[in-house]
Amino acid sequence: QKEVEQDPGPLSVPEGAIVSLNCTYSNSAFQYFMWYRQYSRKGPELLMYTYSSGNKEDGRFTAQVDKSSKYISLFIRDSQPSDSATYLCAMRGTSGTYKYIFGTGTRLKVLA
Amino acid sequence: ETGVTQTPRHLVMGMTNKKSLKCEQHLGHNAMYWYKQSAKKPLELMFVYNFKEQTENNSVPSRFSPECPNSSHLFLHLHTLQPEDSALYLCASSQEGQPDYEQYFGPGTRLTVT
Repeated sequence: QKEVEQDPGPLSVPEGAIVSLNCTYSNSAFQYFMWYRQYSRKGPELLMYTYSSGNKEDGRFTAQVDKSSKYISLFIRDSQPSDSATYLCAMRGTSGTYKYIFGTGTRLKVLA
Repeated sequence: ETGVTQTPRHLVMGMTNKKSLKCEQHLGHNAMYWYKQSAKKPLELMFVYNFKEQTENNSVPSRFSPECPNSSHLFLHLHTLQPEDSALYLCASSQEGQPDYEQYFGPGTRLTVT
């Protein structure tokens, strides 16, 4: 079993739709959860960062962590064509580890 | 320059060539990383340097050789690569020692081995 599972997509939605992107994980030691956005031929860009369980909102983006289910989500409201990218989830534990574990990424296409 | 920069952005090399990738971070961070990104695979951590000391080598073949002369610069020396080494090579940096730290990525070097 992979430590982090993420549906690779592609996920195609019309402009204005609410998008839900998800990752599941198996390691209960993970405490920090990140979402990165990666445009084609660019490096990943940090979008959202959450610690432990709960929700975090930033503009049109909401990150949600459910540690009891080992499930994290990223919601994008009022999606725009400029949101078309690959979204990577990443996570790590707390104890002296530099190691982020990444999902494979979900490719999102928002159609105008 | 801001953030994390990488040069070159694209590199085509033969299997017998020797080349180097360069990364520079302008964020005052103390840790730097090399990752490999291949299609449909998660990012693979290759090397970690913390305060210029290598703290992780993730079973990377010896044809990849990292160098970290100071906390702002990171190199990846390449020699006798294989076609399966073609990928996007990403550099990242972070500030270790903080209770929560985030990794910031450069734009990557797209490497093609012919």
